[in-house]
Amino acid sequence: EDKVVQSPLSLVVHEGDTVTLNCSYEVTNFRSLLWYKQEKKAPTFLFMLTSSGIEKKSGRLSSILDKKELSSILNITATQTGDSAIYLCAVVPPERAGNNRKLIWGLGTSLAVNP
Amino acid sequence: DADVTQTPRNRITKTGKRIMLECSQTKGHDRMYWYRQDPGLGLRLIYYSFDVKDINKGEISDGYSVSRQAQAKFSLSLESAIPNQTALYFCATSDPRDRGRNEQFFGPGTRLTVL
Repeated sequence: EDKVVQSPLSLVVHEGDTVTLNCSYEVTNFRSLLWYKQEKKAPTFLFMLTSSGIEKKSGRLSSILDKKELSSILNITATQTGDSAIYLCAVVPPERAGNNRKLIWGLGTSLAVNP
Repeated sequence: DADVTQTPRNRITKTGKRIMLECSQTKGHDRMYWYRQDPGLGLRLIYYSFDVKDINKGEISDGYSVSRQAQAKFSLSLESAIPNQTALYFCATSDPRDRGRNEQFFGPGTRLTVL
C-alpha cells in the first residue's frame, strides 16, 4: 500500500535555529512530491520535487528529494516565529487503475518557533 | 478576492441534522476535492470530481454525499450528522493542465462541530 511518513511529528525550536523536516514515501514509480505549509488556515503550496534531484529554494526554505533513499527533506534556516505551522508532504502516484493520481498525504510535522 | 471559497466557515449542529457545505472557485479548474482534517490523522479525501459529470469516492466517503452543480461549485452533504464527523473540512481544486505540478489550491476551511 502506498504510504507517506513524515518525521518528526512535532518540533519546538528557538528563533534563529535551523530545522530539517523529513518526508519518506513508499510509492512505486511516484511522479512528484509536494510540500505545503499550513498555518491557522488552508494549506499553501511551497515546492514540487521530482526524481531529477534538483534542489528547490525560496528564501530561507529549501528542499531536495533523494530518489535512492525515497525521501525528501525541507530545510528552514534562521527560523522565525512566522515559520510556526504544520508542514505537509504529499506524493503524486503514477496513474494506474483506480487511483486517478490522487495525492497521498503524510500526517504533517507541527513546527513551533519560540522567540 | 479568494479563488476558492467555502461556506459556512463555522457550523455547530446537532446529531441527526442534515448539513451542506458549499465550495465555489473562480480558478476555472475542472478538478475539485473535499477533504477532512482531524488532529493526528492528517488530510483524508472524502470525494473528488474531475468534471461536472464525474464523481468519485475517496478514502472515507461513508456518511457523505456530494453534488457538482457546475464547474465552479462542489457541495458536500452530511445526510445525518454524527459527532465523529466533527472536523475541519477543506475544499480544493487543481488544474490537470498544470504541466505536472499537481498543485492543489485549498479553500479556507469549514470547522464543523456535531453535538
